[in-house]
Amino acid sequence: DIVMTQTPLSLPVALGQPASISCGSSQSLVHADGNIYFNWLHQRPGQPPRLLIYKISNRFSGVPDRFSGSGAGTDFTLEISRVEAEDVGIYYCMQSSQFPHTFGQGTRLEI
Amino acid sequence: DVQLVESGGGLVPPGGSLRLSCAVSGFNFSEHWMHWVRQSPGKGLQCVSNIHGAGIGTTYADFVKGRFTISRDNAKNMVYLQMDSLRVEDTAVYFCVRGTLHWNGLDYWGQGVHVTVST
Repeated sequence: DIVMTQTPLSLPVALGQPASISCGSSQSLVHADGNIYFNWLHQRPGQPPRLLIYKISNRFSGVPDRFSGSGAGTDFTLEISRVEAEDVGIYYCMQSSQFPHTFGQGTRLEI
Repeated sequence: DVQLVESGGGLVPPGGSLRLSCAVSGFNFSEHWMHWVRQSPGKGLQCVSNIHGAGIGTTYADFVKGRFTISRDNAKNMVYLQMDSLRVEDTAVYFCVRGTLHWNGLDYWGQGVHVTVST
């Protein structure tokens, strides 16, 4: 199985400041169709995870443009340009190029 | 609106069985792969199983192969997870998740259902 490793595991950020989370995969995420299926999810306390970013850099429906994703190969980054109170929670990276889809350990963002 | 509502969780002793159900609405169910993903404090998020839109293909994580069975009823917009020979380590919140149509991934998640395996 592909192992996904996130850093940092805890991220204190002041309101209005930027934030950045990194994720690395243990092997290439290039699918047989040539695409890289790398995603970011956000989970608030007591809620299910919610898809934020898919295919490295595409924002899912309804996701604010302060969230952006980038990366290539085996290294990927999620950036929040200006953190808002509603952004608290745990952020997970996830690969869906190979089954079983696998997730990072999670990064807890706190204000 | 896309909705996924899980049910059937609860407390079961080791070796017991449970059947989870997921009722979906708001989209063309038969077009989508459906997935079960679980979350536990010790193991985090883990993909458990998935099933093709027409039910013609399934996959399972190694840790549930031979014990869990995924199925679906497209006439009823339901997906199921039959869990047999349950172990303590199967204790988790189980989420029903929709597979995406135009790219490989998961988009909408249900609220989840608790499964506790304990004496």
